[in-house]
Order: sequence, then C-alpha cells, then structure tokens
Amino acid sequence: EIVLTQSPATIAASPGDKVTITCRASSSVSYMYWYQQKSGASPKLWIYDTFKLPPGVPNRFSGSGSGTSYSLTINTMETEDAATYYCQQWSSTPWTFGGGTKLELK
Amino acid sequence: QVQLMESGPGLVQPSETLSLTCTVSGFSLTIYNVHWLRQPPGKGLEWMGVMWSGGGTDYNSTLKSRLSISRDTSKNQVFLEMNSLQGEDTTTYYCAREGYGGFAYWGQGTLVTVSS
Repeated sequence: EIVLTQSPATIAASPGDKVTITCRASSSVSYMYWYQQKSGASPKLWIYDTFKLPPGVPNRFSGSGSGTSYSLTINTMETEDAATYYCQQWSSTPWTFGGGTKLELK
Repeated sequence: QVQLMESGPGLVQPSETLSLTCTVSGFSLTIYNVHWLRQPPGKGLEWMGVMWSGGGTDYNSTLKSRLSISRDTSKNQVFLEMNSLQGEDTTTYYCAREGYGGFAYWGQGTLVTVSS
C-alpha cells in the first residue's frame, strides 16, 4: 500500500498569504489528486492529474510535483479557502489518501 | 446532472451486517465506475471498494473479507454490504463516481453508528 504523508497537518494563513501543502508518497506515483473538504460537507475534487483544475476551481490554486513529492499551492489565500485538503493516489490499489491538511484563517 | 445519494440505517448493532444503497442519476452504471469510501468522524478518507462499469468489483484488502459490493442497473443502484461491524466502523460512508481521473462526484454521505 502506498502511504501518503501530508505536511503540515494544520496551517493558519491570512488573506493574501501564499500557502503550500505538501504530500509525500512512500513509492513513486504517476499523478496526484487533491480534494477540498469543508466541515460537514463531502469532499470535492480540487486538482487532478497533478496540476489540472476542474471547472469552478479558482486559478489561484495550483499543483505540482512528480515521483514521490507533490504540492498544492494557493497563490493568494482567500477566506473561502479555509478547509481541509487531502491528497490521493491512483497509481496502485488500494487507492489511498493522505491524512489531510487543515487550513485555517489566521 | 450527475447525482449520487447514499441511504441506509443510521444505527447498526455490533457484529451485525451493514447494508447501504447508492442511488445514482444523470449517468449510466454501465459506463462509469462507482466507488465506496468512508471517513470516521474528524479523520481521513479510506477507499473501500469499487463497482466497475463492466460489473466486476475490487476491494480494499483490509476490508475484503467483510465487504461485498453489487448493483442493480435497472434501478440505478449500487449496494454495499459489510458484515461483523464493530465500533471502528462508525463512520460516514460515501459513494462516488469517477471523473477527471479522480473522485469527481460524491454523495452527501451517510453516517452509520455501530452501537448496542
């Protein structure tokens, strides 16, 4: 099983800040996927194929990485971005998720 | 539009079997794969298994001995059955459809509590 380790577990940011969340895989994966989840809601696909944004996701979000190291970056934090973000891999079953990064407003 | 909705009992007795239904609309189960995932309160996501569009299934090895996924394409429904439930199975269960290469469409989730 591929273990995904996210860091930090929690981060506080102010509007306008640049935020980066990292996801490290225990084995190399081809792509990384990211989900945004707000309290009491279902997760939403936020980044796919490492760097692509689904319709409706603001372009202040970006993704990058390869192999065992990936990241999600918010160029300029906005209040609506406060949520928990999970990375996920499709390269090897069982498909696994990272433990999550909770992004809070400072 | 694409919709998925989970339904099932909110409370299950320890050692009993959980049965959940995922009712879908806006797409065909014979074209898209539907997955089951779960999330304990305040914790991360776990992939449980998948009903492939062709009718086959795959399961997370940690749950494989207890889990069964099936479907009724005429009713647009995917079913989950898991036996020998214990307290650690208290969690929100989601069904989700693939899209953009990821889990693009999710149901609202159903919370199942295992308790006597």
